[in-house]
Amino acid sequence: DAGVTQSPTHLIKTRGQQVTLRCSPISGHKSVSWYQQVLGQGPQFIFQYYEKEERGRGNFPDRFSARQFPNYSSELNVNALLLGDSALYLCASSLWTAGNEKLFFGSGTQLSVL
Amino acid sequence: DQQVKQNSPSLSVQEGRISILNCDYTNSMFDYFLWYKKYPAEGPTFLISISSIKDKNEDGRFTVFLNKSAKHLSLHIVPSQPGDSAVYFCAAIGSGAGSYQLTFGKGTKLSVIP
Repeated sequence: DAGVTQSPTHLIKTRGQQVTLRCSPISGHKSVSWYQQVLGQGPQFIFQYYEKEERGRGNFPDRFSARQFPNYSSELNVNALLLGDSALYLCASSLWTAGNEKLFFGSGTQLSVL
Repeated sequence: DQQVKQNSPSLSVQEGRISILNCDYTNSMFDYFLWYKKYPAEGPTFLISISSIKDKNEDGRFTVFLNKSAKHLSLHIVPSQPGDSAVYFCAAIGSGAGSYQLTFGKGTKLSVIP
């Protein structure tokens, strides 16, 4: 079975640009979460989606947005990129949204903002 | 304000010996704790978890201990193997609002020396 897949694996953008990151969850998983991992830090929660609805949002500015499609895949959009947005963006999927639900992470998209 | 703290950025252990990774938390609303392991260029993978109603959970070579009064948990790996070399993240989930999101520590890089 395929795990969580993310694309692209690497991305280079310049300040002010916009970026879209994509995620396909494990087959049968209906919940997708996004995390940002800055170098030297642990992953930080951005969004959770379940059944195409936003179920939670972390402490990130409105420049960050996401959506989930009928096939449960998801996109994360970041507008007006800043240097500080350079990070590894991780997508995770799970069956439900229960707090103790085990998350399965993809390998991430490494975003570099120049 | 770090709610989950891993105060040791790195740890080196001889193969066959015990590895002990520590984690402290400050939020008393956390009631479920997880350890994730991360290899370079891969996403975090779930290792072991523990509910706050328990003080110990064991899975093969991995044991997690929870001391609620001290707000402290530890991961023991016995015996340590070179393949265990990775970054280990402690994560926590709380009940109530925000119970869908994991709060991660900064991670501890474990090196198991053959």
